[in-house]
Amino acid sequence: EGQLVESGGGLVQPGGSLRLSCVGSGFTLLTYGVSWVRQAPGKGLEWVSGINGHNGDTLYANSVKGRFTISRDNSKNTVYIQMNSLRVEDTARYFCARGQSTNSFNELENWGHGTLVTVSS
Amino acid sequence: QSVLTQPPSVSAAPGQKVTISCSGSSSNIGNNVVSWYQQLPATSPKLLIFANNKRPSGIPDRFSGSKSGTSATLDITGLQTGDEADYYCGAWDSSLKAVLFGGGTKLTVL
Repeated sequence: EGQLVESGGGLVQPGGSLRLSCVGSGFTLLTYGVSWVRQAPGKGLEWVSGINGHNGDTLYANSVKGRFTISRDNSKNTVYIQMNSLRVEDTARYFCARGQSTNSFNELENWGHGTLVTVSS
Repeated sequence: QSVLTQPPSVSAAPGQKVTISCSGSSSNIGNNVVSWYQQLPATSPKLLIFANNKRPSGIPDRFSGSKSGTSATLDITGLQTGDEADYYCGAWDSSLKAVLFGGGTKLTVL
């Protein structure tokens, strides 16, 4: 089934930037849609962004549009999310999740353990 | 505020059945498939149901999903204490061009 491992989280000041990475093992991320989903402490799930495995098309939630950028490096089997202009309300655990097909963003069948992002002064 | 509406909590006794509802609109549940996820305490979410009523391999048939119009339901029969978790519905929204999750329902097995 494979595994997803996120990294890159940490403490950042409001207005700062972070880049999260999601490395896949046991399967080729290129053949799947990959999403980033976040969960604020004690709160529910929020879908943040997705990238189409076939054509690289990208999608964003309105809450992050214009500030976050999702991308991938096929040679490294890795999906990234560049997060700029971070706000306190972006504080959350960020999960990387793989869909069932190249354009699947809602049927997330494989999840990483997540990486914690804290935005605070 | 989630666009998909779930009850905050449900509870039932071991062995009983519980139903979790998820209400949306024509731009999401009404015209797209629904998924359900289980999140046990301090773990990552796990796909329980996809395409409204299909189970991934390894998910017991005690878990079942259905959809009617702009609402979906998750049924769990033969409740076990190990089923205590948060449950989330999810659906693609054609207007927002984004995935929406419900606010989550905390299941307590009394």
